[in-house]
Amino acid sequence: DIQMTQFPSSLSASVGDRVTITCRAGQSISSYLNWYQQKPGKAPKLLIYAASSLQSGVPSRFSGSGSGTDFTLTISSLQPEDFATYYCQQSYNTRTFGQGTKVEIK
Amino acid sequence: EVQLVASGGGLVKPGGSLRLSCAASGFTFNSYSMIWARQAPGKGLEWVSSISSTSTYIYYADSMKGRFTISRDNAKNSLYLQMNSLRAEDTAVYYCARTLHSGVYYEDYWGQGTLVTVSS
Repeated sequence: DIQMTQFPSSLSASVGDRVTITCRAGQSISSYLNWYQQKPGKAPKLLIYAASSLQSGVPSRFSGSGSGTDFTLTISSLQPEDFATYYCQQSYNTRTFGQGTKVEIK
Repeated sequence: EVQLVASGGGLVKPGGSLRLSCAASGFTFNSYSMIWARQAPGKGLEWVSSISSTSTYIYYADSMKGRFTISRDNAKNSLYLQMNSLRAEDTAVYYCARTLHSGVYYEDYWGQGTLVTVSS
């Protein structure tokens, strides 16, 4: 199994802040890395696939980067609707999710 | 419009069985791989199982092997998860999702989830 370590586990930020979330794979996964957003009581929503490709309909303030073992999700200017939990997911070998990062209002 | 509607959850005693269903619509179901994932109360997401479009390739998370069986009926546009020997730690919301393959694999549409509670 490929382990995915995501950090921080939570963060507090204000509207307009730049936010960065990191995900590290236990082995190289090339660009087989996806990011999801989940709000309470809702299903996950795809934000970024293949490490840096923005899913259709997702605002451009979301961006992803990285390859190999280290990846980041950046929100350039946090909006009220972005307060949620974010998960990375590797799809190089079946699937593994990171532990999640809860983005809270400061 | 792509829709995935999961059903079949409920309260079951430890050691019991349950069969989850996921009804798909709005896309050519037999062209897509599918997955089940779950989320225990207050916890993160956990992949459960994957099945290819023609059921040729099937994979399970280690903790579900031998207890869970994924299947699909392309004629009925439906995905299933048969869960046997259920344990308290299987309590979770179970999600079905569609897999896309565009260089990498990713899940672009998710169902609303169905809650499974394992308790005596």
